[in-house]
Amino acid sequence: GENVEQHPSTLSVQEGDSAVIKCTYSDSASNYFPWYKQELGKRPQLIIDIRSNVGEKKDQRIAVTLNKTAKHFSLHITETQPEDSAVYFCAARHNAGNMLTFGGGTRLMVKP
Amino acid sequence: DTGVSQDPRHKITKRGQNVTFRCDPISEHNRLYWYRQTLGQGPEFLTYFQNEAQLEKSRLLSDRFSAERPKGSFSTLEIQRTEQGDSAMYLCASSMDRGIVYDYGYTFGSGTRLTVV
Repeated sequence: GENVEQHPSTLSVQEGDSAVIKCTYSDSASNYFPWYKQELGKRPQLIIDIRSNVGEKKDQRIAVTLNKTAKHFSLHITETQPEDSAVYFCAARHNAGNMLTFGGGTRLMVKP
Repeated sequence: DTGVSQDPRHKITKRGQNVTFRCDPISEHNRLYWYRQTLGQGPEFLTYFQNEAQLEKSRLLSDRFSAERPKGSFSTLEIQRTEQGDSAMYLCASSMDRGIVYDYGYTFGSGTRLTVV
């Protein structure tokens, strides 16, 4: 089955700096890669996603890049703010069905 | 709020008891998923339904776990003879499968936190 590895597990940045979180996946047939933000005690919320026919997608301060050859994708947050502090999860969609396999999460702390 | 609803939000039960959780998906969504999330980990897939059909259940953690979606709307997840290792957050999500062009986006519910004592 699919395996998703996520790094780093914790990331601390100063407000205004950029943050990058990286994920690798094992199943070359995976074709959809969402990123979720989860604040303490709350539900995971989709913040951005990318499909395998696209190499990069941007939404204001958030961007995701995908390298299908290397089977890795990354989340980039620019001009970080304290409210960006949360746990971020990457995921990959199996080719069959719509099940997502999640990475282990990255705890992002933005220091004011 | 027309999002995904889960009930109860919290459940404390004694080891060996049975528990049942309910999920109400977004009304127009035909796919419903159950995930389990333990502390500090990403959600782990358990099972999913398309309408009332359970299309994947091999990932259910043991035969003590079962799920139903009898009329293709709400779903229930039951754990029989609970064990301390079952303590976790149980998340439900839904999405709309439009066939040839999938809408891959999930909407998660707030989850049911189970504590087995």
